Amino acid sequence: QQQVKQSPQSLIVQKGGISIINCAYENTAFDYFPWYQQFPGKGPALLIAIRPDVSEKKEGRFTISFNKSAKQFSLHIMDSQPGDSATYFCAASPNHRDEFDRGSTLGRLYFGRGTQLTVWP
Amino acid sequence: ETGVTQTPRHLVMGMTNKKSLKCEQHLGHNAMYWYKQSAKKPLELMFVYSLEERVENNSVPSRFSPECPNSSHLFLHLHTLQPEDSALYLCASSQDYARGDPKNIQYFGAGTRLSVL
Repeated sequence: QQQVKQSPQSLIVQKGGISIINCAYENTAFDYFPWYQQFPGKGPALLIAIRPDVSEKKEGRFTISFNKSAKQFSLHIMDSQPGDSATYFCAASPNHRDEFDRGSTLGRLYFGRGTQLTVWP
Repeated sequence: ETGVTQTPRHLVMGMTNKKSLKCEQHLGHNAMYWYKQSAKKPLELMFVYSLEERVENNSVPSRFSPECPNSSHLFLHLHTLQPEDSALYLCASSQDYARGDPKNIQYFGAGTRLSVL
């Protein structure tokens, strides 16, 4: 059972455009939502993360938007650059017990399938 | 460089071979992880070690055998693998395991690309 659903699978954006990647989850025990960036030949690296007590977090050109009621969160890359071309993974982690918990393990990261972003120059 | 080094970077093996993947972290972390990354699938957590004790084994077939001799080194021993085991195997480490601390970030190595013929 996939705990985190990510879309789109691939994304092509022109340089200077906005890249948007969406993720959704069901488990209300999730309370930590990181995004990882992976370049070819490299392992994933933490890009930005958010907790559900805020609706938005911005770091440079990267912004996470979080909608707790809809159980959705998204990554926005403003002024996308060719150097942003990579695979992006959203993830979620439960750090407390919840009556709606669906068999998740505390502290474990549950990843989406990934989005391959290509930014054309 | 993330401080997590994996060797070899590429490995081709037959189904009857025995090989080992190695991971080394220079970050002073207490937890180490093995993940399997297959095309168009979420990263699959295989094993977790915390303070050299295995704390998670996520229904991984016995043809994969992990070993953690100390907190800096993690091995994945492979034997009688199947073609469907071909994937990128990633090692990661974090300061501690299963703590709700945003500073408990997982740092990944570059992976070993495994092909089983």
